[in-house]
This record gives sequence, C-alpha cells and structure tokens, in this order.
Amino acid sequence: GQNIDQPTEMTATEGAIVQINCTYQTSGFNGLFWYQQHAGEAPTFLSYNVLDGLEEKGRFSSFLSRSKGYSYLLLKELQMKDSASYLCAVTDSNYQLIWGAGTKLIIKP
Amino acid sequence: ETGVTQTPRHLVMGMTNKKSLKCEQHLGHNAMYWYKQSAKKPLELMFVYNFKEQTENNSVPSRFSPECPNSSHLFLHLHTLQPEDSALYLCASSQDGSSGADTQYFGPGTRLTVL
Repeated sequence: GQNIDQPTEMTATEGAIVQINCTYQTSGFNGLFWYQQHAGEAPTFLSYNVLDGLEEKGRFSSFLSRSKGYSYLLLKELQMKDSASYLCAVTDSNYQLIWGAGTKLIIKP
Repeated sequence: ETGVTQTPRHLVMGMTNKKSLKCEQHLGHNAMYWYKQSAKKPLELMFVYNFKEQTENNSVPSRFSPECPNSSHLFLHLHTLQPEDSALYLCASSQDGSSGADTQYFGPGTRLTVL
C-alpha cells in the first residue's frame, strides 16, 4: 500500500528552528509537496521537491532524498504565526497526490 | 486569497436532508477536486474532474454526488448522509492534473455536521 508518515504534533519555541520529517512509500514518485494549514483555513502551498537536495525559500527550506524516501521541512526564526499543521504529500506514478495526516506545530513564546 | 471559494462555510443538516456544496475557482485551471478532511487523518480524495470530465471516483458512497458544469464550478450534492460524514470538505483546483508538479490550490472548506 501507499503510506506517508509524519509526526502528529511538535512543539517549538519562538525564534528557534524546527525540522518536520516525512517518510513515504508510494507506487512511483513524481514529486513531494509541503502545505501549511492554519486551523479552520485552506491548505496553502509551501514547496515542491522532485530532485534530491535542499530548496530554500526565505525562512522555510525543504529537503528531499528519493533513495531514502525521506523529506523534511525546516522552519527557521519561528514566529507565532507559524503555529499550524504542515502536510506532506507525494505525487505517485498516476499523478495522484498521496497525503500524510499532517504535523501540528505549536509555537510557544 | 487563493482564488478558490467555497459556500457555505458551515452546514448543519439532518440525515434526511438534501443539500449542495459549491466551489468556484478563478485561476483558469482545468482540474478540480473534492476532498474530505477528518481530524488527524490524511486528506481523502473523493472526486477529480479534468476538463469537466470525471476522472476519479475513489469508492465514494452514492449519497455523495458530484457535478461539474464547467471548468470553473464544482458542486457536491449531499443526500441521506450519516453522522460519520461530518468533516471538513475541501475543494481544490490545479492546472490540469497531468504532471507531478501540478500544484493544487484549495478553498477554505465547508465544515459539515450531520445530526
């Protein structure tokens, strides 16, 4: 079967750095997405990785290792507004998105 | 603003009611999706439309009936629902659903409660 694993919940301190991991087992691979979802709001696109390595976008970076079936989202200089759920999703060989259950990130002052 | 709107934002209905959810996208996309989101579970893909044609129906019960009159509008018709259907229903759109990099853009969702 197809599976995406990510931690259910993480807590971090304002101003710190946090890394949210995602591992996947899918039938084929055509890219990996990270989305952010604030409570009661729509998921919004953060990043897309299809090649191995690190993609940096301001305070957020996303890393991919296809051989390990592994990705992480790195958030630097955490702000209170970063409190949200972070969803990992993989595009399989049929171009369907397979979703993880999301990681709820709690930021404390 | 994501360019995808959904109405209503909240809906409470009895098991014998009939209601419809509406989604509209203003992004010029050709693919539209319905998802169900339940607490602590992955997003469940329900239906996919590509150029107004339904391309996916992931074993969704017949009490959910989609309609896509054009590339900008998507409906989900609901009838004789069960309490376990209570969830957040999300609509999304993307360019054409045919590549790995095809990014989906989501609406704010309809919070559905079935009594």
